[in-house]
Amino acid sequence: AQSVAQPEDQVNVAEGNPLTVKCTYSVSGNPYLFWYVQYPNRGLQFLLKYITGDNLVKGSYGFEAEFNKSQTSFHLKKPSALVSDSALYFCAVRDTSGTYKYIFGTGTRLKVLA
Amino acid sequence: ETGVTQTPRHLVMGMTNKKSLKCEQHLGHNAMYWYKQSAKKPLELMFVYNFKEQTENNSVPSRFSPECPNSSHLFLHLHTLQPEDSALYLCASSSTSGLGYEQYFGPGTRLTVT
Repeated sequence: AQSVAQPEDQVNVAEGNPLTVKCTYSVSGNPYLFWYVQYPNRGLQFLLKYITGDNLVKGSYGFEAEFNKSQTSFHLKKPSALVSDSALYFCAVRDTSGTYKYIFGTGTRLKVLA
Repeated sequence: ETGVTQTPRHLVMGMTNKKSLKCEQHLGHNAMYWYKQSAKKPLELMFVYNFKEQTENNSVPSRFSPECPNSSHLFLHLHTLQPEDSALYLCASSSTSGLGYEQYFGPGTRLTVT
């Protein structure tokens, strides 16, 4: 079965420090991977994606993610966290069986402390 | 978020009411989705439409009835709901061709069933 795991419910980081939000996946075939961010009472906002090509992808607001095929991971990173980065982050993978579905992780709440 | 709009933003309804949620996308996408987001639960996929045809019904109770008259509009008709149906309902759209694939979400409708 295809799945996405975000092992941490919450990540706390001090402002200015690097942050990492973890994601691992399980799909058959080549994965299409995504990160989204959700602020309170808002919809999810697309941050970045990996479809093919360079393993390090850059996205909005200074975020980047590293695709690691051998570890089946797609961790979200940022070199220097801002208080305004505090939000709920979702990792997702596109279903590869042709159903146009996306499988989401359970979300990780990021708290950046001033 | 202006690419995908949802109305109303907030809805309070009694268990015997009938109401509809509306979603409209201005992105030229061909796939549209309904998700349910409840507190402390993972994002739940409800329905998927591709070129107006329903491709996924994720065992959703019949008190939720989707309608997709064209690739730009999606409705969710609600009747005789239960209090546990109170949640944030999110609409999303995506392309199913090319190298896009990322979903764009509306701001959601916060539904409260009394």
